[in-house]
Amino acid sequence: QVQLVQSGAEVKKPGASVKVSCKASGYTLTSKYMHWVRQAPGQGLEWMGIINPSGGRPTYAQKFQGRVIMTSDTSTSTVYMELSSLRSDDTAVYYCARGSLWFMDYYFDFWGQGTLVTVSS
Amino acid sequence: QFVLTQPPSVSGAPGQRITISCTGSSSNVGTDYDVHWYQQLPGTAPKLLIYGNNNRPSGVPDRFSGSKSGTSASLAITGLQAEDEADYYCQSYDSSLSGSRVFGGGTKLTVL
Repeated sequence: QVQLVQSGAEVKKPGASVKVSCKASGYTLTSKYMHWVRQAPGQGLEWMGIINPSGGRPTYAQKFQGRVIMTSDTSTSTVYMELSSLRSDDTAVYYCARGSLWFMDYYFDFWGQGTLVTVSS
Repeated sequence: QFVLTQPPSVSGAPGQRITISCTGSSSNVGTDYDVHWYQQLPGTAPKLLIYGNNNRPSGVPDRFSGSKSGTSASLAITGLQAEDEADYYCQSYDSSLSGSRVFGGGTKLTVL
């Protein structure tokens, strides 16, 4: 069965960086694109970007361009999301979500359990 | 704040039918891009509920259905059950935002 298992909670200081991992199992990582979505406490979902684990340039939401880097390691079936220059409003649960192609776009059919990133001085 | 507009909350009694609306624009819902719906139970990750406007993944009861018309989409739940109490989010693609996927702000469903 498809599973996406994310790394554990992180506490970071403002200005620092955080790198969250998402290990996929139950399917071939390179067969599907992976998305990252975040959710601030008590708030809605916010799309951050998409990566093709096979290679190629990720696409990032405009809001995060210059601060986010998404990478993949096919040898371990893991994708990563690194967010830099952290601010207090980056405190959120970060999810990886597998994208399944549907006509011209994707829906997110499997989600990781989420990684809480807390930014506090 | 959110590109797609949903009501913040809806409620219904067990057994009733409720609908949740998702209103967008000509650059997202009003285009050829479909709408997908997710259910988020308290303290858990979102779960795919409806894809491609009106398709249910295996395991999702047929009490859940979706539709889309013009710049709006709707999620309907019939035979409301206590375990349906959750947050519901619509999602689509916006052609004006450089390849951006967009969500609604979410709707909290309360089963009375």
